[in-house]
Amino acid sequence: AQKITQTQPGMFVQEKEAVTLDCTYDTSDQSYGLFWYKQPSSGEMIFLIYQGSYDEQNATEGRYSLNFQKARKSANLVISASQLGDSAMYFCAMREGGGSNYKLTFGKGTLLTVNP
Amino acid sequence: SQTIHQWPATLVQPVGSPLSLECTVEGTSNPNLYWYRQAAGRGLQLLFYSVGIGQISSEVPQNLSASRPQDRQFILSSKKLLLSDSGFYLCVYRGTPYNEQFFGPGTRLTVL
Repeated sequence: AQKITQTQPGMFVQEKEAVTLDCTYDTSDQSYGLFWYKQPSSGEMIFLIYQGSYDEQNATEGRYSLNFQKARKSANLVISASQLGDSAMYFCAMREGGGSNYKLTFGKGTLLTVNP
Repeated sequence: SQTIHQWPATLVQPVGSPLSLECTVEGTSNPNLYWYRQAAGRGLQLLFYSVGIGQISSEVPQNLSASRPQDRQFILSSKKLLLSDSGFYLCVYRGTPYNEQFFGPGTRLTVL
């Protein structure tokens, strides 16, 4: 079974509108973390936002917010006021374990296209 | 701050040829380092990780191997490349305090 599921291979949004990218995860660990990364066409991976499993409040970083619903095991990324530069692949990832057992598993990604 | 270097940036190799990709990290000591591969249209697959010199863990059986000859150097190798080895290879350093992973610029490998 997949540990990270991103059900939207591609998404389109109009400039200045908000968009939600879906991510569900599967783990039996009590302590874990969830990340979102952005990958532009240049290939670099850019860290966007992090949510710990024990964090009670949803993480926010500028125009990015993470809608964390622990019971549903979902960690959706919300981008407000989309910009043309937001067009990129977006990956959801989950951290499990610690020390030498630390693992980061990625979803297959969502390609976001922002239309002018 | 930490910096991750990868060399080379792009590589085109024939099937059956050897491979050596290098990753070096600056600004930290005893980092946890990871090799990921991103195949076209797919997510990132963890290949190897290392918690210290000479310590390598392999995630999936494959045609590749990794070595950690120095604290801040991580090398990905192959004796004979396959077509399926084509992809974008990313070296990653595990950061603190959130354990987020910082990615190097990547090496785009094409096997013909």
